[in-house]
Amino acid sequence: AQKITQTQPGMFVQEKEAVTLDCTYDTSDPSYGLFWYKQPSSGEMIFLIYQGSYDQQNATEGRYSLNFQKARKSANLVISASQLGDSAMYFCAIETGTASKLTFGTGTRLQVTL
Amino acid sequence: GAVVSQHPSRVICKSGTSVKIECRSLDFQATTMFWYRQFPKQSLMLMATSNEGSKATYEQGVEKDKFLINHASLTLSTLTVTSAHPEDSSFYICSARARTGKGSPLHFGNGTRLTVT
Repeated sequence: AQKITQTQPGMFVQEKEAVTLDCTYDTSDPSYGLFWYKQPSSGEMIFLIYQGSYDQQNATEGRYSLNFQKARKSANLVISASQLGDSAMYFCAIETGTASKLTFGTGTRLQVTL
Repeated sequence: GAVVSQHPSRVICKSGTSVKIECRSLDFQATTMFWYRQFPKQSLMLMATSNEGSKATYEQGVEKDKFLINHASLTLSTLTVTSAHPEDSSFYICSARARTGKGSPLHFGNGTRLTVT
């Protein structure tokens, strides 16, 4: 079985600053993928970024980057130059093997302030 | 981009009635769709995997007779909450992949907020 842990229930960041959202995972499967999703108050789930377990480089997508430390089993999301519109819930998720289904963490609520 | 449409977005029903939620992939075909449930301020919990043309696969603890899933075509999966009770009130959200292979993200519908009175 796989598990995702997000230890920060809530985070504040000032506009234009960078913020790191923590995610650790546990799986015995050598092949896995890590995803980050954003959920605004409206409820939809928006895909942000993906990191494969065999990827050599950390994933980046615009202002989002993933700090992947395989030995520590962590996949932290870094959001640079925060914007007010970044205020939302952020979920880390893991997919292992051929199951194709995602297991989600408990989420981190990010609030961007002026 | 890949779009998943879910309907209705909100529904209020009386205890004992059944509610059907539709999930459509608008610009791609999906042989597999996933149904999640989310309680307020909590994470998404996978309920079942919907397979086109065959029976759904339910997660442990999910009552298959209560949450009926039908995946009759490559673009439509439905979740029917039968004999709904107040404890079934929740946010239900479906998802699907537009392509197979590593790194292909799940695309989510906008969810359905079910309130059972």
